[in-house]
Amino acid sequence: AQSVTQLDSQVPVFEEAPVELRCNYSSSVSVYLFWYVQYPNQGLQLLLKYLSGSTLVKGINGFEAEFNKSQTSFHLRKPSVHISDTAEYFCAVSDKGSNYKLTFGKGTLLTVNP
Amino acid sequence: DGGITQSPKYLFRKEGQNVTLSCEQNLNHDAMYWYRQDPGQGLRLIYYSQIVNDFQKGDIAEGYSVSREKKESFPLTVTSAQKNPTAFYLCASSIDFGNGYTFGSGTRLTVV
Repeated sequence: AQSVTQLDSQVPVFEEAPVELRCNYSSSVSVYLFWYVQYPNQGLQLLLKYLSGSTLVKGINGFEAEFNKSQTSFHLRKPSVHISDTAEYFCAVSDKGSNYKLTFGKGTLLTVNP
Repeated sequence: DGGITQSPKYLFRKEGQNVTLSCEQNLNHDAMYWYRQDPGQGLRLIYYSQIVNDFQKGDIAEGYSVSREKKESFPLTVTSAQKNPTAFYLCASSIDFGNGYTFGSGTRLTVV
């Protein structure tokens, strides 16, 4: 069975600093990986996804993530954050064994301080 | 614009009452999902449907029921058997595995 671990439940940073949100997964087969963002009292919005090909994936709002198969990781990065990036971020994985249903991590709350 | 509509945004009910949450999509997606979100718990799958007139239990289906009579609609009923129904409920849909899910804006249910 697939699972996702987001290693940090909260990440506080200052505005314009770089940030990395960590995500590790477990799966016995080829996976598809996603990052979503959730602003307070809203649904989730897709930031980026990895299906195949280049391991460096670029998404919206200046975010990018790198798929590392040997370390089973899919960490999310942004070189310079803004106050408006304050939100909760979810990593998700799907694979053929789960009939491609998404399994989500527990989320990382990114707080950007002035 | 295409999307998923969940209604109402906020819902209050007395303990022991059944309540139905609405989810409608005009994206022509085959698959639809219901998730429950609690603080620090991430998203947990309640039910999902990959085709009309068919649905499967997710990880926490006890105390919930669904129907899928139309492609566009996937309502969720929170029954009185659900021991702790107060939560944020999210509906999602997908067209295929490669595109991930499109989410609605959620319904916050409070049972008093």
